[in-house]
Amino acid sequence: NAGVTQTPKFRVLKTGQSMTLLCAQDMNHEYMYWYRQDPGMGLRLIHYSVGEGTTAKGEVPDGYNVSRLKKQNFLLGLESAAPSQTSVYFCASSYRDRRNNEQFFGPGTRLTVL
Amino acid sequence: AQKVTQAQTEISVVEKEDVTLDCVYETRDTTYYLFWYKQPPSGELVFLIRRNSFDEQNEISGRYSWNFQKSTSSFNFTITASQVVDSAVYFCALTSLRGSGNTGKLIFGQGTTLQVKP
Repeated sequence: NAGVTQTPKFRVLKTGQSMTLLCAQDMNHEYMYWYRQDPGMGLRLIHYSVGEGTTAKGEVPDGYNVSRLKKQNFLLGLESAAPSQTSVYFCASSYRDRRNNEQFFGPGTRLTVL
Repeated sequence: AQKVTQAQTEISVVEKEDVTLDCVYETRDTTYYLFWYKQPPSGELVFLIRRNSFDEQNEISGRYSWNFQKSTSSFNFTITASQVVDSAVYFCALTSLRGSGNTGKLIFGQGTTLQVKP
């Protein structure tokens, strides 16, 4: 099992460019999440999904869109990148079962917006 | 509102010292889970432990131990006889299970950077 994978690992964008980050999990998890990590701020939730075809906003959703067309994939889109979106992005997934709800994280994507 | 506070930004110890990382949380919910994750220099996030709000027993796993006290809203993490490989950023996190809120969303603390010197 690959667990949670993220593509790409690194990316440099210019202000105004768009891109999509791909997250894939092979653990048949119902829930998936996108977080961003910034120095001194821990991880903050951008968007999440509790099932195929459903998405919801997290703590810092502005400037991002997401889609979950397949259970195993969760896409994070930046339509017009801004320097404030320079960050490390982590995808995570978990089971719906609250008795087994630890989140498994991908390796992260380091994004720089110039 | 839910909040997790890790007041210690950075801690530096010498190998073999014991070290405790503090975590204080705020929530109005009676049902919740607390977590600790480790982020080594390589950058990935590694799950260490989960504790639910109804289980206040302390837990020990090798050199790691956790002290959960609901009376003080704290979930502290102690590493005994620290080693250089313990150098990492450690995050405490909280999720609530109240009502329809069982979405598993994690609220993270700011993280504590632990440096263990040889």
